[in-house]
Amino acid sequence: GEDVEQSLFLSVREGDSSVINCTYTDSSSTYLYWYKQEPGAGLQLLTYIFSNMDMKQDQRLTVLLNKKDKHLSLRIADTQTGDSAIYFCAPEWGSQGNLIFGKGTKLSVKP
Amino acid sequence: NAGVTQTPKFQVLKTGQSMTLQCAQDMNHEYMSWYRQDPGMGLRLIHYSVGAGITDQGEVPNGYNVSRSTTEDFPLRLLSAAPSQTSVYFCASRDRGGGNQPQHFGDGTRLSIL
Repeated sequence: GEDVEQSLFLSVREGDSSVINCTYTDSSSTYLYWYKQEPGAGLQLLTYIFSNMDMKQDQRLTVLLNKKDKHLSLRIADTQTGDSAIYFCAPEWGSQGNLIFGKGTKLSVKP
Repeated sequence: NAGVTQTPKFQVLKTGQSMTLQCAQDMNHEYMSWYRQDPGMGLRLIHYSVGAGITDQGEVPNGYNVSRSTTEDFPLRLLSAAPSQTSVYFCASRDRGGGNQPQHFGDGTRLSIL
């Protein structure tokens, strides 16, 4: 079946850039999403990229897509302690636009 | 505009009990779905619906029933709860128009089966 892989943990210092990587198997994904989950909370949409784009910038967030390698990354510039959370990569799959999620990357930001 | 509302937020059940998790959205979204999230796992799709009267199975449908009698509501039923169904359950909805239509998630229901 379809699969999404992410590294489980990332630790950075406040003010540094964070890069969260994701690989996926479904090459037909039209939109690929990044969601953020804070402890005990639901999922918050962070950003997304359309499959015919290589890069999308949204304030401190930069999404890079390498469709050939099925690799997606999320860069957070000037990472703050409030960015500490779990980040999920979620490409669309199938004709109904369902999402398939990775296990999530837990980002820890040290002051 | 409340978005996606899930009730209850927490629930403890005994093995074999039945229960319905409620999900309502006020955005007139056609598409709704249920996911479960287990520790160290991503979200896995249980069931989804592309409109009133239409439902379909996701990746992990066993042990769960759904129905969609209105656009607004998409309840998830556990007919005979099992400890393996201890999880956090998320409901989501999105529009089905053209272009990007991201899913909006509720805050989750934390369910424990003893």
